[in-house]
Amino acid sequence: DVKVTQSSRYLVKRTGEKVFLECVQDMDHENMFWYRQDPGLGLRLIYFSYDVKMKEKGDIPEGYSVSREKKERFSLILESASTNQTSMYLCASSSGAGNTEAFFGQGTRLTVV
Amino acid sequence: RKEVEQDPGPFNVPEGATVAFNCTYSNSASQSFFWYRQDCRKEPKLLMSVYSSGNEDGRFTAQLNRASQYISLLIRDSKLSDSATYLCVVNGGYSTLTFGKGTMLLVSP
Repeated sequence: DVKVTQSSRYLVKRTGEKVFLECVQDMDHENMFWYRQDPGLGLRLIYFSYDVKMKEKGDIPEGYSVSREKKERFSLILESASTNQTSMYLCASSSGAGNTEAFFGQGTRLTVV
Repeated sequence: RKEVEQDPGPFNVPEGATVAFNCTYSNSASQSFFWYRQDCRKEPKLLMSVYSSGNEDGRFTAQLNRASQYISLLIRDSKLSDSATYLCVVNGGYSTLTFGKGTMLLVSP
């Protein structure tokens, strides 16, 4: 069974902390994505990667960075967490050229206080 | 800005009803289209891809109108278990997917 695993289901961090969200997929997928989901705003793409060490900005990259040192792992970094980054963060992966299914992790509910 | 627009609902229907959701997209270059389903507090999961000729999977039928940039999902004989949020999804560039905000469906006994 295909699997995308996010390191934490729930996380509480303080304003100004550096936060790492980890995502691992076991499907040998080329593409990996980080989205955030907020009520009334839907899923918004933060960053994505189509290969190891490659990254591209999505629609809302400000305040975030990413790292993809290995094909199976894609990390989202909040350099200095702020309260407006309180959200549900969803990692996803897919193979090929965009006409294939994206598989999601279970999500990380991050609260910044 | 490339967008996908959906009616947020909620759509409240009785069991056994037929319900239809619509979606419009702005990127005329999009080539792939999907409907995802998201249960409360869960991650989105693929419900079905949408093909140019239209396609059916059991009680679910998806249609695509490229000229109008319009996608639809029809659910027949609604079940309680169909209650969820349905996300219209369109591919963008670089293998990315653009999600609509979702349409909530509530099926009641």
